[in-house]
Amino acid sequence: GNSVTQMEGPVTLSEEAFLTINCTYTATGYPSLFWYVQYPGEGLQLLLKATKADDKGSNKGFEATYRKETTSFHLEKGSVQVSDSAVYFCALIRAGAGSYQLTFGKGTKLSVIP
Amino acid sequence: DGGITQSPKYLFRKEGQNVTLSCEQNLNHDAMYWYRQDPGQGLRLIYYSQIVNDFQKGDIAEGYSVSREKKESFPLTVTSAQKNPTAFYLCASSIGEKAFFGQGTRLTVV
Repeated sequence: GNSVTQMEGPVTLSEEAFLTINCTYTATGYPSLFWYVQYPGEGLQLLLKATKADDKGSNKGFEATYRKETTSFHLEKGSVQVSDSAVYFCALIRAGAGSYQLTFGKGTKLSVIP
Repeated sequence: DGGITQSPKYLFRKEGQNVTLSCEQNLNHDAMYWYRQDPGQGLRLIYYSQIVNDFQKGDIAEGYSVSREKKESFPLTVTSAQKNPTAFYLCASSIGEKAFFGQGTRLTVV
């Protein structure tokens, strides 16, 4: 079946440090890949997505490239801020029978300290 | 404002009682979903509905029930058969691959 494995946290970085959160997936066919972010006490927000191989999703300084050869979608940011502290989820869509069900990784908690 | 509303934000119930979590959307989306979030577990799919009066079990449906009598509403009932009901519950709706999430309900069973 489909699954997502992401780097376990928590991750603690100093402000302006470089961030990488690893994500790999197992899926049949060609899934679309997503990163969602969850701020404390809130629901999830879509951060970025990529729908086919070699696509790069980007938003708010975050980037991730869909690598089919390594089945990966690692999240990166060049310089993190305190406001980036949140839980980040890698996910894929398994489309079937007209529905688009998300399969999530376990989440990586990021804390950025001043 | 268009969006998904979950209520209440915090809910406390005694063990053995059924409890219903509300989820309403005004985005005119056909598909709606319920996820359960536990620390270190990510989000797991409980039930989903692609259209009014139809719903399907997700990966962890045991001990839960849903209804979809209106397009806008997809309530989740946590029954006494659910062995570990304390969790954070998230509702979502989607159009194609684009999903929108509510703010969540934290259920604590004491």
